[in-house]
Amino acid sequence: EPEVTQTPSHQVTQMGQEVILRCVPISNHLYFYWYRQILGQKVEFLVSFYNNEISEKSEIFDDQFSVERPDGSNFTLKIRSTKLEDSAMYFCASREVGTGANEQYFGPGTRLTVT
Amino acid sequence: QKEVEQDPGPLSVPEGAIVSLNCTYSNSAFQYFMWYRQYSRKGPELLMYTYSSGNKEDGRFTAQVDKSSKYISLFIRDSQPSDSATYLCAMRGNSGTYKYIFGTGTRLKVLA
Repeated sequence: EPEVTQTPSHQVTQMGQEVILRCVPISNHLYFYWYRQILGQKVEFLVSFYNNEISEKSEIFDDQFSVERPDGSNFTLKIRSTKLEDSAMYFCASREVGTGANEQYFGPGTRLTVT
Repeated sequence: QKEVEQDPGPLSVPEGAIVSLNCTYSNSAFQYFMWYRQYSRKGPELLMYTYSSGNKEDGRFTAQVDKSSKYISLFIRDSQPSDSATYLCAMRGNSGTYKYIFGTGTRLKVLA
């Protein structure tokens, strides 16, 4: 069964460093998302991406964040200068585009620890 | 008022019990309602989704939506220890980018 994959599973970085989180969405999906989940809190929407551009972003997704689809399979989230409060699980999700194509499928997540 | 509210639990039940998990919401624009299961430090796994009001059944799982009350439920019949996980409700409207709004999740423990 096709699935969303994410690398790395765990990333430890120092405050102020740049990190890139990688995702490989399901191959025929065209809509991509990043969500994050701070430990003990709910899953929160960060950004959606379609047709090589951001469709919507939340207040969390400030100038320190960027997303990119560098090739036909990868989808990345970059945090330019990490802060302690960026420590969280980051989930990538994807879905098909079309009538009734509703379900978002989530990857296993990348646990980001900022020290 | 929070957009989506969900009792965080934990909810402990004996094996074989019927489990009822619930969410309430405030945004009447929500049209699609999803239930995800999340094991510790793993990604959310889609269990069921329902459009608008009504019931949907899949094996031991039944999802119910009551839009008039802004209340959704997930029932698990014959619960098993392997059902022990956090259950997240999520919902979205019918326009835009289809971003999901999640509840905080209910932690369920099924005791053998």
